[in-house]
Amino acid sequence: GAGVSQTPSNKVTEKGKYVELRCDPISGHTALYWYRQSLGQGPEFLIYFQGTGAADDSGLPNDRFFAVRPEGSVSTLKIQRTERGDSAVYLCASSPWTGGGTGELFFGEGSRLTVL
Amino acid sequence: LAKTTQPISMDSYEGQEVNITCSHNNIATNDYITWYQQFPSQGPRFIIQGYKTKVTNEVASLFIPADRKSSTLSLPRVSLSDTAVYYCLVGDRRGDDKIIFGKGTRLHILP
Repeated sequence: GAGVSQTPSNKVTEKGKYVELRCDPISGHTALYWYRQSLGQGPEFLIYFQGTGAADDSGLPNDRFFAVRPEGSVSTLKIQRTERGDSAVYLCASSPWTGGGTGELFFGEGSRLTVL
Repeated sequence: LAKTTQPISMDSYEGQEVNITCSHNNIATNDYITWYQQFPSQGPRFIIQGYKTKVTNEVASLFIPADRKSSTLSLPRVSLSDTAVYYCLVGDRRGDDKIIFGKGTRLHILP
């Protein structure tokens, strides 16, 4: 597709359940970012990938959160044993990082997670 | 990473020019200044980027003084559709560091 695609757009789950959120970046973009955004707050950095490897995962709040990008394209954010405090919009962004240009991030529309 | 400080919120009227200033006292030599815009229920969108002096595109202008410790995003003749949150970011463009967003400035345009 032309832009960053995130699925599902909305996810309602119960406390303690496991959740996967998927991000399909713009074709050819090597960098991929995950952010979490709560109401009235700016996007909170979680993790970013350069290719298949996690270049920086310092924003993951705890070991219940994990993300993969096995083939350097699609990424999945996995949340185990969800808690009500995990409720937020999870944003994915990709960037070409060609060594020139602006380093602009292209965001998807997010996955809204609600934990009951 | 250089920290940025910007006003939490601003109000203006349609047709006015809006200037949002961002402070980044610890900006590094290799850092660029980038602004994003975010509408409700959407991801942020790149507006403009600059290193020094002035940059202008079809959406906005970015003014950066010689010491680069601050920058000003200027939106000419705003309309109701410019109501959004605006984020100022500082960082290099080498792709080897995470990109951090602050809380942004919530701009509300009144009719």
